[in-house]
Order: sequence, then C-alpha cells, then structure tokens
Amino acid sequence: DGGITQSPKYLFRKEGQNVTLSCEQNLNHDAMYWYRQDPGQGLRLIYYSQIVNDFQKGDIAEGYSVSREKKESFPLTVTSAQKNPTAFYLCASSTSSGSSYEQYFGPGTRLTVT
Amino acid sequence: AQRVTQPEKLLSVFKGAPVELKCNYSYSGSPELFWYVQYSRQRLQLLLRHISRESIKGFTADLNKGETSFHLKKPFAQEEDSAMYYCALWRSQGNLIFGKGTKLSVKP
Repeated sequence: DGGITQSPKYLFRKEGQNVTLSCEQNLNHDAMYWYRQDPGQGLRLIYYSQIVNDFQKGDIAEGYSVSREKKESFPLTVTSAQKNPTAFYLCASSTSSGSSYEQYFGPGTRLTVT
Repeated sequence: AQRVTQPEKLLSVFKGAPVELKCNYSYSGSPELFWYVQYSRQRLQLLLRHISRESIKGFTADLNKGETSFHLKKPFAQEEDSAMYYCALWRSQGNLIFGKGTKLSVKP
C-alpha cells in the first residue's frame, strides 16, 4: 500500500518529554504538511515544506519543530514547550505547493501526553 | 484576513432529503476553494474543488463571490454521505486554511 504513512498510530508520552512523529511518502511529492486536528477546531497548520531542506511555520508552530532532509520524509517533533500536545496529528503531501494540486493525507497519529 | 467559516458543527438530515453544508470565506483576490471529506475510519480526502466545476458522488459546490460562499449541496442525501466535511481555502502563503468542519449525519 503506497501513499503516505504515519507511525505510530497511537503514541503515549509523559509530560516534559519530546516526541517525534513519523511521516513518509512514496508519491514523489515535493510539498509536505503537518496539521493538528482537535474536536471543534478543524485542521490547523503546524509546519509545511515546499521542497527538501526548506520549511515554513504554519499557524500554530510554537512548541513544534520539523526537518526535511529527504523528499520522502517530514518528521514532526512535539517538544516539551508545547502547552497542549495531546491531539490527533495529520501529515499530508502534494505534488507541488501550487494550489491546484490535491493534498493527500496520512492516517494520522493520536498523541496522548500525561 | 484569510478565513473560512463553517457555521454548522452538526447537520442532521433524513435519507433522501436535500443537504446543504455552508461555507463562507474571507479573501482578497480570486479564491480557490475545496471541500474535503473524512468518512469514519478513513483518511481525509479531497471531495471536490471549485476550479474543476465537477460533481462528485452527487455533490456540487458553486462559488458565489458576491456572497463569499462555497456551499456544498446534494439533492438527495444517502446514509453513506455521513461524514465530517471540511471547507478549505488556498492562501497566498502557499497552503490551505481549513474551516472547523461540519459533521453530516444522514438518518435512515
């Protein structure tokens, strides 16, 4: 099954620990995105990358960090500075950062921090 | 400010009834708008985009620049249409902004 994979599906961490969420795609897409999905809040953009070795902050980047060392990978680190990290995290990719290109989403990772 | 508003958190209709999911946007310039759908236990996926002027699964959406709206419509709802629907706007920064979503429940 190709496309976008996110691992793990469920992740539990203690407060104060950093945690990294994996996102991999084999679609040869240039652009990748991280969203956070909370009930009643919709999807909010955390970070996005339009090309390898480059990324930009989204609307709620505080407490998060990313890297884009390879075209197919865009890991997200939730740091201890993130005040409310418990959420459902979605990764997406698109052929280009151009508007007419569909975003393809991964299955998501549910992070619980206690 | 670039913004997407979906005023209804939940919309409940009976099978066979018409359905309209509302979406309003704020954007200076020519907007590009999308509807994404998330069925239970499935990934979020594109339903349709205004630029294509297409009908997918019986759904249509017309861009009304005067009312700054992009409502999603279907004349006869089916139970399998039950899902979470998100309206999205392409921003000048090069990414999408999503509305908060509307949960559609189609009752038998």
